[in-house]
Amino acid sequence: GENVEQHPSTLSVQEGDSAVIKCTYSDSASNYFPWYKQELGKRPQLIIDIRSNVGEKKDQRIAVTLNKTAKHFSLHITETQPEDSAVYFCAASPGSARQLTFGSGTQLTVLP
Amino acid sequence: NAGVTQTPKFRVLKTGQSMTLLCAQDMNHEYMYWYRQDPGMGLRLIHYSVGEGTTAKGEVPDGYNVSRLKKQNFLLGLESAAPSQTSVYFCASSHLREQFFGPGTRLTVL
Repeated sequence: GENVEQHPSTLSVQEGDSAVIKCTYSDSASNYFPWYKQELGKRPQLIIDIRSNVGEKKDQRIAVTLNKTAKHFSLHITETQPEDSAVYFCAASPGSARQLTFGSGTQLTVLP
Repeated sequence: NAGVTQTPKFRVLKTGQSMTLLCAQDMNHEYMYWYRQDPGMGLRLIHYSVGEGTTAKGEVPDGYNVSRLKKQNFLLGLESAAPSQTSVYFCASSHLREQFFGPGTRLTVL
């Protein structure tokens, strides 16, 4: 089955700096790669996703890049703000049933 | 629209007891999922359903059973709870690729 590895497990940045979280996947059949943000005690919520036919996608301060050859994808957050502090999860989906395999998460702390 | 709801929000069980977690969605989604979330391990898929009357095993199905008798509901059952099943359980549903999560159920097995 699919295996997703995520790094780093914790990340601290100064407000205004950029943050980058990286994930690798194992199944070349994976074709959908979402990123979820989870605040403490809350449910995961989708912040951005990318499909395998696209190399990069941006949404305001958030961007995701995908390298299919190397089987890795990354989340980039620019101009970080304290409200960006949360746990971020990457995921990959190879199946027609659309099930997701998640990475282990990155605790992002934005220091004021 | 309530989206995805889960009941109960919290539960404490003793080893060997049974319980059922209920997930309901009002978005007419075909696909529904049950995950468990443990510290440092992300979310792991327990079981999923691609439509009413169907279920399939995910990554960590042992000790759990599910049923999807109605399209809007997906039930997760623990027949004989074990301390290793202490976790936060999330239900999700999807129509296209985005999965929408419920608020979670925090289960403690003593």
